[in-house]
Amino acid sequence: GAVVSQHPSWVICKSGTSVKIECRSLDFQATTMFWYRQFPKQSLMLMATSNEGSKATYEQGVEKDKFLINHASLTLSTLTVTSAHPEDSSFYICSARGHGAVVGETQYFGPGTRLLVL
Amino acid sequence: EDKVVQSPLSLVVHEGDTVTLNCSYEVTNFRSLLWYKQEKKAPTFLFMLTSSGIEKKSGRLSSILDKKELFSILNITATQTGDSAVYLCAVIAGGTSYGKLTFGQGTILTVHP
Repeated sequence: GAVVSQHPSWVICKSGTSVKIECRSLDFQATTMFWYRQFPKQSLMLMATSNEGSKATYEQGVEKDKFLINHASLTLSTLTVTSAHPEDSSFYICSARGHGAVVGETQYFGPGTRLLVL
Repeated sequence: EDKVVQSPLSLVVHEGDTVTLNCSYEVTNFRSLLWYKQEKKAPTFLFMLTSSGIEKKSGRLSSILDKKELFSILNITATQTGDSAVYLCAVIAGGTSYGKLTFGQGTILTVHP
């Protein structure tokens, strides 16, 4: 089956620092990757859609200068939380859609990254 | 705006009970509906439903979609404590080619021994 990894799984950082989270598709090529954020006891909220080789599409209300997304290859997308603040503390999850997958096909989720900003 | 609503939000049952989780949606250009189970980490895929009236089964779990009434149900029979989790319903819709998921709020299922 399709496997998606995320690194790191846990990050604790000081306010004002930047944090980079990696999302990798291990056994398939992912043309499209999605980044979600989940606050405690809430559902997943899509932050942005990332397509390999092009700029990410951000959802309304998500600051693109604060959440930098790079999808440089078919197996790697990164999310950088710049100048992180305590309110950015959350569970960040990526998912990937396979190369050639038609719209409507399922996405495969990474294990998530818990970010705590002190 | 695409909308996915799950009910109930929370459910507490005893082992052996049967539960039915509901998911209704209002979306433009529906493609598929998916069910996920989330424990402590990221969601794990359960089912994807595209056509009405065709039941999908996996062990004690089953799901069906009604595209006319715009809802889906997820059934779990003979529940076990290991079924305790958040169950998420999501829909792929819209005119983009990216297939983004819109999630419902989730149903928190707690199964007591």
